[in-house]
Amino acid sequence: EVQLVESGGGLVQPGRSLKLSCAASGFTFSNYGMHWIRQAPTKGLEWVASISPSGGSTYYRDSVKGRFTISRDNAKSTLYLQMDSLRSEDTATYYCATRAFAYWGQGTLVTVSS
Amino acid sequence: DIQMTQSPPSLSASLGDKVTITCQASQNINKYIAWYQQKPGKAPRQLIRYTSTLVSGTPSRFSGSGSGRDYSFSISNVESEDIASYYCLQYDNLPYTFGAGTKLELK
Repeated sequence: EVQLVESGGGLVQPGRSLKLSCAASGFTFSNYGMHWIRQAPTKGLEWVASISPSGGSTYYRDSVKGRFTISRDNAKSTLYLQMDSLRSEDTATYYCATRAFAYWGQGTLVTVSS
Repeated sequence: DIQMTQSPPSLSASLGDKVTITCQASQNINKYIAWYQQKPGKAPRQLIRYTSTLVSGTPSRFSGSGSGRDYSFSISNVESEDIASYYCLQYDNLPYTFGAGTKLELK
C-alpha cells in the first residue's frame, strides 16, 4: 500500500525558514517523480514544485522560485521541501504526491505569522 | 501557464440527481486531466485520471469525458457520501494547474 507521510510543519515568523519532509513507503520511491501541492485555508489547490525520479530535474511555481528547494533522498525514500524567506501568503497545508498525482499524503500545516 | 476554468463554483443537488462539472483549459491538454474529491480536513482523493479512467475503488457512478480543451466530470445518482468539493487538475504541462473547485451540497 502506497503511503506518504508529511512532517515538519508549524508556526514560523515571516522571513524565517522551515523544512518539510515526506516519508514514502509501499512503492519503489526512486522510480517516480514527486510533487508538493499546497492549499491555503479555505482556498483551492496549488501546485508548488516537482522533482524527477533521480532528483536531477526540479520545477517550481514562479512565486516560490529562489525561495523553496525541492530535494529527495532515494536511499531514505524521503522527499523534502526547504522553504526559506517565508511569507504570510505561504501559509497553507502542504501535501506531497506521487505517481501522476494519484497518491497524496495527509498534509502538514505551515503557518507564517509574527 | 495553462488556466483551468472550472464551473460551476457550487452545485446544489438532491440525492439521486445527476450532476456535471466542467473544466475548460486555456489550451489543448491532450486528455491529461484528473478529477479529485476533497472532504473537509482531508487530503484530495483522485477519482479519475487521463480524462475518463476510473481509479481503483472509484464507484461507477462517477465518470469523465472530454478532449482538447473541454472536459467534464459527472456523478449520476448522487449519494450523501458524495457531498464534497471537487477539483480538476491538468498535468500535461508545467506548471501543473488546478481548477478553482466546485462545492457540491445537498438541496
